[in-house]
Parts: sequence; C-alpha cells; structure tokens
Amino acid sequence: GAGVSQSPRYKVAKRGQDVALRCDPISGHVSLFWYQQALGQGPEFLTYFQNEAQLDKSGLPSDRFFAERPEGSVSTLKIQRTQQEDSAVYLCASRGQGEYNEQFFGPGTRLTVL
Amino acid sequence: GQNIDQPTEMTATEGAIVQINCTYQTSGFNGLFWYQQHAGEAPTFLSYNVLDGLEEKGRFSSFLSRSKGYSYLLLKELQMKDSASYLCAVSPRGDGGFKTIFGAGTRLFVKA
Repeated sequence: GAGVSQSPRYKVAKRGQDVALRCDPISGHVSLFWYQQALGQGPEFLTYFQNEAQLDKSGLPSDRFFAERPEGSVSTLKIQRTQQEDSAVYLCASRGQGEYNEQFFGPGTRLTVL
Repeated sequence: GQNIDQPTEMTATEGAIVQINCTYQTSGFNGLFWYQQHAGEAPTFLSYNVLDGLEEKGRFSSFLSRSKGYSYLLLKELQMKDSASYLCAVSPRGDGGFKTIFGAGTRLFVKA
C-alpha cells in the first residue's frame, strides 16, 4: 500500500509569509508525528496526534507554529510569519496501533525562507 | 534534561563490521529505536529494543543496556549502500508525553 506522503516537497517562502505543509499518513494509522530536521541534525519532535486529538505539542517552537488533524487522517502544519530560522526539512511520520511499533516517515518538505 | 549522544562520523571498509554507539539520558524509557537515513531521504526503521540484550536482524543487530543507558547498532558485512546516517531514538513516555527523542545521527562512510 501507499506510504506516508507529504506536499509540497519543496517550498520557498519570503520572510513573513505564511506556509501550510500537508501530510497524508498511511491509511488507518492512529498516531501522527511532525518533526523538524535541520541540516546535519536528527529530527526534532514538534507535535503528536492520536486520531484527531493533539496530545502533545510541546515541541512547537513558537506560537507561529500550528498543527491540525481535524478528521484524524490528513494533517497540516502551518507556520505563520515565517522567519529564516524556520528553514528546515519538515518530516511527518505515522504509526499503527501500539506505541511499540515503528514510525513510518514521509519524504519531508524542504522549507527555505528567504 | 533529555539527551542522546552518538558519534558524529565513522568510516569503515566494505565487508567489515562496524559498531555505532548511543548513550541516552531521558526522564523515562519506553524503548529505543535505530533508523537509517540516506542523504535527502526519510528515515527508515532498522530495529527496536525495549528489554536488555541483543536483537539480531540479518546483517544488523542492536543491543540495549537500560541500566547503563547504552545501546549499539552493529552492522556486519558492510556494503557501499550502508553509507548513510544512523539515528538513535528513545521514546521516554515517562513524563506523560508522546515525543520521540532523536540523536543527531552518526554519518557512516563505507569505503572500498
């Protein structure tokens, strides 16, 4: 079956613009994670959803970052008033039932803020 | 704080064995994962340890010692395609959160 997909794959934004990044998890996966990965670093946790409920948003760096998953499937990560330090790859991952299962990652969205 | 340490880079020869170490300090422990990430690609799952000991999976094995906060990933019969970053990740859960904490990754270069 299809894996995790993300769109767009690449996004260039001018400083101050708002952006929306989309994640389509594997069908039926309850858990969904968003990560931010800077060049040469590991993924940094941003937020976690279980179905439509956002159970952990402790990793969101500021109130400019907002994530939603209204129907418990597709998720959107929105960044308002983008700053240069927001430039990174944004990874989405989904996981099936059972927290001991591995996360399946999407290809990521590379965001460049000019 | 929560911290995961692993070497930044390693180099090994094709056909050899390499061990990538990971130490962690987290508020809780609910399992340790190893992921492989090729440049420009998404991480892919390699292994999972929640109990002490060695888990073997083909050419890859992973070891965990919870008392020492230590894990290693062992890669045997290295191939050129094994050149990638290897990410150690811990699911703490003990603080009631759901985050997974990743290390910065170890970049492995396999040379002929």
